[in-house]
Amino acid sequence: AQSVSQHNHHVILSEAASLELGCNYSYGGTVNLFWYVQYPGQHLQLLLKYFSGDPLVKGIKGFEAEFIKSKFSFNLRKPSVQWSDTAEYFCAVGGSGGSYIPTFGRGTSLIVHP
Amino acid sequence: GAGVSQSPSNKVTEKGKDVELRCDPISGHTALYWYRQRLGQGLEFLIYFQGNSAPDKSGLPSDRFSAERTGESVSTLTIQRTQQEDSAVYLCASSLRRDPNRSDTQYFGPGTRLTVL
Repeated sequence: AQSVSQHNHHVILSEAASLELGCNYSYGGTVNLFWYVQYPGQHLQLLLKYFSGDPLVKGIKGFEAEFIKSKFSFNLRKPSVQWSDTAEYFCAVGGSGGSYIPTFGRGTSLIVHP
Repeated sequence: GAGVSQSPSNKVTEKGKDVELRCDPISGHTALYWYRQRLGQGLEFLIYFQGNSAPDKSGLPSDRFSAERTGESVSTLTIQRTQQEDSAVYLCASSLRRDPNRSDTQYFGPGTRLTVL
C-alpha cells in the first residue's frame, strides 16, 4: 500500500517569496503523483500531475513540481508567491495495479501575507 | 452545473442518529469516491465505486458506514448511530476511468460538513 508524507503543515510567507512544499511517498510500483489545491471556500482542484516522461511538471498559476525517483519525492515549487496562493495544498500518490485509488497526504496550509 | 454536487452542505445531528449524505457525480464519470477529512487531517479514503463492479469498501471504518450507488449516477453515504468521532467533512469525487493502469484526475464536490453533538 502506498503512503504520502507532507512535512510542512503550516507555511507562512510574504508575497514574492519563493515556495517549496515537500512531499515524500512510499510506493513500489509505477507511481502517479498529484498536487491538489483547495482555495478558501472552494472545492479541491488539480494543480498538476505526473504520470511519466519529463520529471519536471508544470501546472496552473506558475506552479511546478519535480519527481525525483531516487528520493521518492514530488516537491511543489513556485518562484514568487502571491496573496491569492493562500490555500491548502495536498499531495497524493496512486499507481498501477490495485493502487489506482490515490492516497492523500495530510495537507499543507499556506498563508501568503500581502 | 457541470461539477460534482453534494448535499446537504452542512448537517448537525445528535449522537446515535442516522445520517444520509448525497453525491451527484459529473455526468459520464464512471468512478466515484468518498473520503473523510477530519479537522487538520488529510483525506481518508472510505469507498470507491466503478461502473457496475463491486465497490471497494476497504476504507470504511466500521459497519455503521455504508454507501450505495445506482448505476453511474447518484451515491448516498449512510452513517448509522452516529458518534462524535464521525464529525468531519465528507468529500465525494468522481473521475473518468479511462486507463485501468493509472490513477485518474479526481473532481471533487464541495463536501458535507457533519457535526455530531
